[in-house]
Amino acid sequence: GNSVTQMEGPVTLSEEAFLTINCTYTATGYPSLFWYVQYPGEGLQLLLKATKADDKGSNKGFEATYRKETTSFHLEKGSVQVSDSAVYFCALSATYGQNFVFGPGTRLSVLP
Amino acid sequence: EAQVTQNPRYLITVTGKKLTVTCSQNMNHEYMSWYRQDPGLGLRQIYYSMNVEVTDKGDVPEGYKVSRKEKRNFPLILESPSPNQTSLYFCASSFGLAGGLQETQYFGPGTRLLVL
Repeated sequence: GNSVTQMEGPVTLSEEAFLTINCTYTATGYPSLFWYVQYPGEGLQLLLKATKADDKGSNKGFEATYRKETTSFHLEKGSVQVSDSAVYFCALSATYGQNFVFGPGTRLSVLP
Repeated sequence: EAQVTQNPRYLITVTGKKLTVTCSQNMNHEYMSWYRQDPGLGLRQIYYSMNVEVTDKGDVPEGYKVSRKEKRNFPLILESPSPNQTSLYFCASSFGLAGGLQETQYFGPGTRLLVL
């Protein structure tokens, strides 16, 4: 079946450090890929997405590139801020009308 | 304001006492879904609905029921709650043809349930 694997946290970084959170997937067909972010006490909200191979999603300084050859969608940010502290979920949608599949989430803490 | 609302936000109950968690969206979305979030397991889908009167099981449907009588509402029903259903529950919705591959899901704020 379809699945998403992402690096386990927590990840702790200093402000202005470079961030990478790895995400790999297994899916039939040609999935769309997503990164969602969950701030403390809130629901999930879309951070970025990519719908086909080699697409790059970007938002708020975060980027991720859909790599079909490595089945990956790693999240990166060049300089993190304290306000980026949250849980990040990689997800895919692989079959029309079927359910989303989420990774387990990676908790990021950014220290001032 | 476009949003997904859930009620209640917090609930403490006892084993076997039926409960309903409501979910409503005001974006005219066709696709709605329920998830539970547990530490170390991320989000797992319970049920989803592609349109009115159309529902289907997700990955963890046991012990839950849903209904979709109106487009905007998608209640989650626990007929006989058990302690292993203690969790954080999220409702979500999306546009388009039954949540097509490119569609973003919009999440509610969550309902934290404790079953004693």
